[in-house]
Amino acid sequence: KAGVTQTPRYLIKTRGQQVTLSCSPISGHRSVSWYQQTPGQGLQFLFEYFSETQRNKGNFPGRFSGRQFSNSRSEMNVSTLELGDSALYLCASSPAGARGTEAFFGQGTRLTVV
Amino acid sequence: GENVEQHPSTLSVQEGDSAVIKCTYSDSASNYFPWYKQELGKRPQLIIDIRSNVGEKKDQRIAVTLNKTAKHFSLHITETQPEDSAVYFCAANSGGGADGLTFGKGTHLIIQP
Repeated sequence: KAGVTQTPRYLIKTRGQQVTLSCSPISGHRSVSWYQQTPGQGLQFLFEYFSETQRNKGNFPGRFSGRQFSNSRSEMNVSTLELGDSALYLCASSPAGARGTEAFFGQGTRLTVV
Repeated sequence: GENVEQHPSTLSVQEGDSAVIKCTYSDSASNYFPWYKQELGKRPQLIIDIRSNVGEKKDQRIAVTLNKTAKHFSLHITETQPEDSAVYFCAANSGGGADGLTFGKGTHLIIQP
């Protein structure tokens, strides 16, 4: 089985721009979660999608949004980028959306805001 | 929401010795506690997990213990090897019906030869 795939791997954007990141989960996995990883704050939960619905959301501003498609692929969008948004963005997929199942991570997208 | 505290932030042990990393959580409804290992430049990978109906789980040199009453869980690595050097994260799921993990800040484990 192919693992979780994130595109692009690296991205450089200017303050004020917006960005869209993509995540393709493991085949058959219906739950996709997104995390922001920074040296200072560690791994922080952004949101989780299951069957095209956002089920859970972390404490991030409304500039961070996401969606999930019928094939379980997910995208996250960050609008009006700030320097502090520079981070590694990781997505993770889980089978069946049941609580308490292993989350498999992608390689991440490294976003740099200049 | 859930809050997970992890200690220590850095742990240096001699090769062959044991390492222990401790975490506490706040949401009594959390029922799943995974541990992830992240090597430099790589994705986090699950090394062991435990559910709230179990007190201890072992997998070769790795074990995890859970104390639901005290809301803390620990990772134990015995007979440490150089390849154990990495950052380790504990996590807990939310009390609601969805997935999504709250992570500790991580422990940088250094194995001294």
